Amino acid sequence: KAGVTQTPRYLIKTRGQQVTLSCSPISGHRSVSWYQQTPGQGLQFLFEYFSETQRNKGNFPGRFSGRQFSNSRSEMNVSTLELGDSALYLCASSLQRGAAYEQFFGPGTRLTVL
Amino acid sequence: TQLLEQSPQFLSIQEGENLTVYCNSSSVFSSLQWYRQEPGEGPVLLVTVVTGGEVKKLKRLTFQFGDARKDSSLHITAAQPGDTGLYLCAGAPQNTGFQKLVFGTGTRLLVSP
Repeated sequence: KAGVTQTPRYLIKTRGQQVTLSCSPISGHRSVSWYQQTPGQGLQFLFEYFSETQRNKGNFPGRFSGRQFSNSRSEMNVSTLELGDSALYLCASSLQRGAAYEQFFGPGTRLTVL
Repeated sequence: TQLLEQSPQFLSIQEGENLTVYCNSSSVFSSLQWYRQEPGEGPVLLVTVVTGGEVKKLKRLTFQFGDARKDSSLHITAAQPGDTGLYLCAGAPQNTGFQKLVFGTGTRLLVSP
């Protein structure tokens, strides 16, 4: 079974631009979560989608948004990029199993904002 | 805010040594997971523990969930260079109802030959 895929793997943008990142979950997984990872803040939760609905959201400004399609693929968008948005953006999919929400991560998209 | 503090932050050891990484919080978690992340890749799930006091063994790795489900530890026996990476604990806060994992601050391990 193929793992979580993310595209693109690397992206360079300038301040003020916007960016869209894509994530394809493991087949059969309906939940997709997005995280931002930086050296200073570690892994921080952005939002989670299940059956095309945002179920949970982290503490990020409204410039960060996302959506999920009927095939469970998800995109996240960051508008008006700032230097501080440079990070590794990780997508994780999961198949809820009881009390343990095991998440399987993709390789990430490395975003650099100049 | 539910925080998971990991210690130590950095660990540099020689091949064959044993080590323990700790993950602590003042909050209760319904489950706790450990991941290992290598440079340029996403975290890879190692184990999930759900019961207070639970101990799981994965070859040379031993994971323990605290009785009160507020802390966890990862013990590696006879570390090998292939164990090098960033180790992350992550907890599912109790009664949140949704998938919002809280990640620990991370422990960066370097095992030298």
